[in-house]
Amino acid sequence: GQQLNQSPQSMFIQEGEDVSMNCTSSSIFNTWLWYKQDPGEGPVLLIALYKAGELTSNGRLTAQFGITRKDSFLNISASIPSDVGIYFCAGPWNAGNNRKLIWGLGTSLAVNP
Amino acid sequence: DTGVSQDPRHKITKRGQNVTFRCDPISEHNRLYWYRQTLGQGPEFLTYFQNEAQLEKSRLLSDRFSAERPKGSFSTLEIQRTEQGDSAMYLCASSFTADEQFFGPGTRLTVL
Repeated sequence: GQQLNQSPQSMFIQEGEDVSMNCTSSSIFNTWLWYKQDPGEGPVLLIALYKAGELTSNGRLTAQFGITRKDSFLNISASIPSDVGIYFCAGPWNAGNNRKLIWGLGTSLAVNP
Repeated sequence: DTGVSQDPRHKITKRGQNVTFRCDPISEHNRLYWYRQTLGQGPEFLTYFQNEAQLEKSRLLSDRFSAERPKGSFSTLEIQRTEQGDSAMYLCASSFTADEQFFGPGTRLTVL
């Protein structure tokens, strides 16, 4: 089925480094969502983007809605050990009331203290 | 703060048994979603409720699966005659605005 393309698939970095990851689609999205998932837990919403070109921050996290509406980027500055987890991008697929989310495969982040 | 809650968190069952999961959404949220997630994948949509009405079901949801949301509050997902391929994390999400969905902690199902 429909799926978003995330890269990189995994990252292993040193504490304090900045991280960048992205998400692309062959289709246009009007909303981009970024989630973080810890092992054995549900995804937690980090940032929601609603406008092409929009840049939104949440603490050390910054996300951008691409101008073409086919991509989005997530940056984490000054990484810390608790940033470890899997980061997913997601976008609502339907135009109607059912805004079911389409997901990427995730970027797995490991942080070496 | 009462976020989305799910019960149980873990369920181990034998093949052929029936299981039921419960989801309690955030209280003012009228939209409720069920997703299934397997290892290394993102969540996959199963079904959607707006208030008490089940408005869409994925083709992933075979006849063995049924979901309800009586009175538009909590929801249950039942799997009858479980198979090993049903082993997965079952996630519930709720929303009020159209696009931001808030997830519960999930129910991890293992079918032996």
